[in-house]
Amino acid sequence: QKEVEQDPGPLSVPEGAIVSLNCTYSNSAFQYFMWYRQYSRKGPELLMYTYSSGNKEDGRFTAQVDKSSKYISLFIRDSQPSDSATYLCAMSAGNAGNMLTFGGGTRLMVKP
Amino acid sequence: DVKVTQSSRYLVKRTGEKVFLECVQDMDHENMFWYRQDPGLGLRLIYFSYDVKMKEKGDIPEGYSVSREKKERFSLILESASTNQTSMYLCASSLDRGFGNTIYFGEGSWLTVV
Repeated sequence: QKEVEQDPGPLSVPEGAIVSLNCTYSNSAFQYFMWYRQYSRKGPELLMYTYSSGNKEDGRFTAQVDKSSKYISLFIRDSQPSDSATYLCAMSAGNAGNMLTFGGGTRLMVKP
Repeated sequence: DVKVTQSSRYLVKRTGEKVFLECVQDMDHENMFWYRQDPGLGLRLIYFSYDVKMKEKGDIPEGYSVSREKKERFSLILESASTNQTSMYLCASSLDRGFGNTIYFGEGSWLTVV
């Protein structure tokens, strides 16, 4: 079993829909959680960053962490075709070196 | 904004060639990383460096080496390229070894070995 699991998709939604992207993990030591967006043939770019449990909102994006369930989510409201990309979750235990463990990514397609 | 620049975006090399992938960051970050990304396998860490002239093996270092002569520059070297090294290579950097520092990626280098 992988340390971080993420459904690869693809997830196809109509424009304007609310999108929910999720990751589960097994290491209870993880306490820093990130979401990266990666467009085709580009490097990942940091989208959201959360420490410990709770919610964080940034515009149309909301990151949610439930440490008790070892489950994190990224919600996208009013999805746009420009949101079509692969979304990678990443997390770390905050140990020295701060190594990140990545999920495999979910490919999202938002259709006009 | 953090800028991580990978000088070569697309390369085609022959089997057995020595290949250099160069990466420069402009934010005075201490940590630098090289990953490769393959469909179905996700991101895998090849090497990382916490300081000039220091390097640590990641999960898949075989067939690769690295060089960090200056703080801002981290090079990945394929000593003798093989077809199974055809992949997208991503350079990244982070501030230091403090807790919670996140990683910033470059645009990626697409390497094809024929």
